[in-house]
Amino acid sequence: GDSVTQMEGPVTLSEEAFLTINCTYTATGYPSLFWYVQYPGEGLQLLLKATKADDKGSNKGFEATYRKETTSFHLEKGSVQVSDSAVYFCALDSNYQLIWGAGTKLIIKP
Amino acid sequence: DAGVIQSPRHEVTEMGQEVTLRCKPISGHNSLFWYRQTMMRGLELLIYFNNNVPIDDSGMPEDRFSAKMPNASFSTLKIQPSEPRDSAVYFCASSRMGRGLSGNTIYFGEGSWLTVV
Repeated sequence: GDSVTQMEGPVTLSEEAFLTINCTYTATGYPSLFWYVQYPGEGLQLLLKATKADDKGSNKGFEATYRKETTSFHLEKGSVQVSDSAVYFCALDSNYQLIWGAGTKLIIKP
Repeated sequence: DAGVIQSPRHEVTEMGQEVTLRCKPISGHNSLFWYRQTMMRGLELLIYFNNNVPIDDSGMPEDRFSAKMPNASFSTLKIQPSEPRDSAVYFCASSRMGRGLSGNTIYFGEGSWLTVV
């Protein structure tokens, strides 16, 4: 079945560091891919998405490119801030539901 | 536009009591999801409704859990009787859906934080 694998956390970085959170997937067909973010005490909210191969999703300085050849959708940001501390979830749509990665906790230190 | 609205935000109850969680989806969305999130098991889909009809309830843990959607603007998740292992954050989410999600975004509420003691 469809699945999503993302790097384990926590990932701890200093402010202004470069961020990469890896996400790879297994799916039949060409699903849409998503990154959601969950701040402490809140629900999940969409960060960005890409609906077809080679699309780049971007939002709030974060980017991810849908790579069909490597079945990946890695999340990147050039300069992280303390306010980016959260849990990040990679997901793909499989018919009527999202298949979720386990989440990666990101901690940014000032 | 208001997002997905859940109530209560926090609930502490004693083992054996009935718990009812409520959700108002985003207006115009035809699909509604109930999720449970715990440290041990992560994010689990409990049940999914499309046009108020339960389509997939294979994630409902056991008969103590039930969910209803009497109309397009309201859903409940009920646990009776509640047990300590039901302690978790329960999220309601909604989306527009045609032939599957097709890249549409699922919007989450802020969650109901349940503690059963």
